[in-house]
Amino acid sequence: GAGVSQSPRYKVAKRGQDVALRCDPISGHVSLFWYQQALGQGPEFLTYFQNEAQLDKSGLPSDRFFAERPEGSVSTLKIQRTQQEDSAVYLCASSLQGAPEEQFFGPGTRLTVL
Amino acid sequence: DQQVKQNSPSLSVQEGRISILNCDYTNSMFDYFLWYKKYPAEGPTFLISISSIKDKNEDGRFTVFLNKSAKHLSLHIVPSQPGDSAVYFCAASAWVGDMRFGAGTRLTVKP
Repeated sequence: GAGVSQSPRYKVAKRGQDVALRCDPISGHVSLFWYQQALGQGPEFLTYFQNEAQLDKSGLPSDRFFAERPEGSVSTLKIQRTQQEDSAVYLCASSLQGAPEEQFFGPGTRLTVL
Repeated sequence: DQQVKQNSPSLSVQEGRISILNCDYTNSMFDYFLWYKKYPAEGPTFLISISSIKDKNEDGRFTVFLNKSAKHLSLHIVPSQPGDSAVYFCAASAWVGDMRFGAGTRLTVKP
């Protein structure tokens, strides 16, 4: 089956614009994660879903960031009023269960805020 | 705070030799550790993992060693191949959803 897919792969936004990033996890995977990866750094945890429930959003940097997974499958990460410091690669990952285990990553969306 | 640290940003080895990538962590609650490999413009790919009840896990050319008392783990690649050239991330988890990554080590394997 297909792996984790993300769209768009690249997004350029003007400062102040809203953006929406989409993640299609592997079919049947219960857990879904969003990470932010700045240049030269490792992925930083943003938020975690188990099915449609957002169990942890402690990594979201501000209230401009919002994530949802309404039907327990596709997820959207929305960033309102984008700022230059939001420029990063946003990675989505999914895993089969709700236990510490390997996560399967998508290719990421590179967001550039001008 | 950086709970998972990879202090070597880069490593270069000759093809056929051993590559050793190191990782240190500070949180004693971490009980599951993973290594990911990343090529440019792709997401990280899972390589190998180890739980805290073990001190070694081997998968083909890849072996991960865990030293809990030192809060240190390492990834050994033997023999190294040019296709192994990538960025390697160490990750640690105390519970599902709380996976912390190091900053990565860029491995270059020279033919």
